[in-house]
Amino acid sequence: DAGVTQSPTHLIKTRGQQVTLRCSPKSGHDTVSWYQQALGQGPQFIFQYYEEEERQRGNFPDRFSGHQFPNYSSELNVNALLLGDSALYLCASSSVGASYEQYFGPGTRLTVT
Amino acid sequence: AQKVTQAQTEISVVEKEDVTLDCVYETRDTTYYLFWYKQPPSGELVFLIRRNSFDEQNEISGRYSWNFQKSTSSFNFTITASQVVDSAVYFCALSSPRGFQKLVFGTGTRLLVSP
Repeated sequence: DAGVTQSPTHLIKTRGQQVTLRCSPKSGHDTVSWYQQALGQGPQFIFQYYEEEERQRGNFPDRFSGHQFPNYSSELNVNALLLGDSALYLCASSSVGASYEQYFGPGTRLTVT
Repeated sequence: AQKVTQAQTEISVVEKEDVTLDCVYETRDTTYYLFWYKQPPSGELVFLIRRNSFDEQNEISGRYSWNFQKSTSSFNFTITASQVVDSAVYFCALSSPRGFQKLVFGTGTRLLVSP
């Protein structure tokens, strides 16, 4: 039973570019949440997707957008990258019936130069 | 608003010492969940424990124990007889059904265990 997977593992982008990160939830899970973890900080909630819709959003600008596909996998898109977007991006999945039980993926480390 | 405070930024101990990591939380919800996660240098968050707000029983799992006190809004984590492999950043987190269980994390405590 595969856990939560994320791709790519590492990514280097230039300021102003756009990036797409991907997440496949654990088998049986239908909800995906994204978190940003800057260096030395705790993870910060970006948004959550359920039934292909954004259900809740944290305090992040519109440059951050997402999508959930019918197979429950999800993408996080960041436009007009800033140096401050450099962080570890974590994906967590859960099922709506046990949403308190979230499983995290290994993360994607994004570096913006 | 929900908030988690981990006042200890970094703790250094020598192997076999006991160490307690503090966590204080704020929430207006009556139903909520508290968590501890371990983050080794690899970056992946490792789940350690989840407690719901209606269960104040302390829990012990091997060398790990947790003390949940609603009266002081605290959920402290103790490692007994620490080992070098315990070196990591530890995060306390809070979620509630009203917030669709989004996790609110503290800033973390870096634990360094030296031989």
